[in-house]
Amino acid sequence: GAVVSQHPSRVICKSGTSVKIECRSLDFQATTMFWYRQFPKQSLMLMATSNEGSKATYEQGVEKDKFLINHASLTLSTLTVTSAHPEDSSFYICSALGTSGRNISSTDTQYFGPGTRLTVL
Amino acid sequence: SQKIEQNSEALNIQEGKTATLTCNYTNYSPAYLQWYRQDPGRGPVFLLLIRENEKEKRKERLKVTFDTTLKQSLFHITASQPADSATYLCALDDTGGFKTIFGAGTRLFVKA
Repeated sequence: GAVVSQHPSRVICKSGTSVKIECRSLDFQATTMFWYRQFPKQSLMLMATSNEGSKATYEQGVEKDKFLINHASLTLSTLTVTSAHPEDSSFYICSALGTSGRNISSTDTQYFGPGTRLTVL
Repeated sequence: SQKIEQNSEALNIQEGKTATLTCNYTNYSPAYLQWYRQDPGRGPVFLLLIRENEKEKRKERLKVTFDTTLKQSLFHITASQPADSATYLCALDDTGGFKTIFGAGTRLFVKA
């Protein structure tokens, strides 16, 4: 149980194009999902918190107009990197918290997707 | 400033030995601390969570300690196996917050 998938696993695109990454919770519902970015040999950096049915909460320094997040259902959140540039090349990972109608607390375990490797040429 | 520090140098040990990884933090007051395993090109996998009022937690060959005075957590893998080779991340909750903050991880290599 508690499986999270991401699609695509790898994407190579030209500078200036937009790329959409999907994050799905396969066997549970997730009112809250997180999007992280990880550069080589560095820690996961939280980009934004995605809440189903509401606007995402972005971390300081993350451009919300560049990284569009849509959490349209309890099992799907999408991250769109708009007008991608080479400096956006990174490993993007989502995670999901399960829900059973209780209040989400910070002690809930996050289940991570396998990640998406984005390379912008 | 706030920091989570894990040894950036890789840890090389022989199969069967105990691996010990360290996580130190500064200017955080976490209610809990977590350890994750991450394989190359993959997302992290949750291993253990230890709360501030717990000194030690075990799960099979894994043991985690949490010393809030030293602001340190130790992660032990006993009877290590080559399959344990991976990067291990520690993470803690931001003070009073809802976010999880990750360390950069320590790479473990277990030689047969």
